Amino acid sequence: DIQMTQSPSSLSASVGDRVTITCRTSQNVNSNLNWYQQKPGKAPKLLIYAASSLQSGVPSRFSGSGSGTDFTLTISSLQPEDFATYSCQQTYGTLFFTFGPGTKVDIK
Amino acid sequence: EVQLLESGGGLVQPGGSLRLSCAASGFTFRSYAMSWVRQAPGKGLEWVSTIDDSGDNTYYADSVKGRFTISRDNSKNTLYLQMNSLRAEDTAVYYCASLVWLLWYFDFWGQGTLVTVSS
Repeated sequence: DIQMTQSPSSLSASVGDRVTITCRTSQNVNSNLNWYQQKPGKAPKLLIYAASSLQSGVPSRFSGSGSGTDFTLTISSLQPEDFATYSCQQTYGTLFFTFGPGTKVDIK
Repeated sequence: EVQLLESGGGLVQPGGSLRLSCAASGFTFRSYAMSWVRQAPGKGLEWVSTIDDSGDNTYYADSVKGRFTISRDNSKNTLYLQMNSLRAEDTAVYYCASLVWLLWYFDFWGQGTLVTVSS
């Protein structure tokens, strides 16, 4: 199995702050790393796929980078609607999927 | 507009069975692989199962292999998850999601249906 970690597990930030979340995998996943946003009681929403490609309709303040085992999700200027939990996801083996444990972003 | 609508969740006793459905609209269902992803209360997301576009190939997480069966009816634009021998640890919100093949990301998600396994 490929293990995934995210850091930090939670953070407090203010509107307008630049926020960076890290996802680390235990094996090389090349660029097969995706990011989701989830608000309480709602379904996850795809933000970034293939490490750095912005999903259609997602604001450009979201960006992703990295390859191999280390990846980053950046929100350039945090907006009120961005307070949520962010999770990374990767694929391995014949077809198995793993999600990171999540990073909760709340209001400072 | 893409819509995925899950149904069939509820309260079931340990050892019992339940069948979830996911009705799809707004896209060419038969051209998409589909998956189930669950989330236990207060926990992270856990992939459960995937079926390819034709229904010929299925994939399962080790935690549900041998107990859950994924299937689809492309004539009805519907995805299913048959869950047998349910355990307390299967308690979760179950989401259906469309999977982009070869890029391996879940692009659209349903609103989820809650399954509670308890006596």
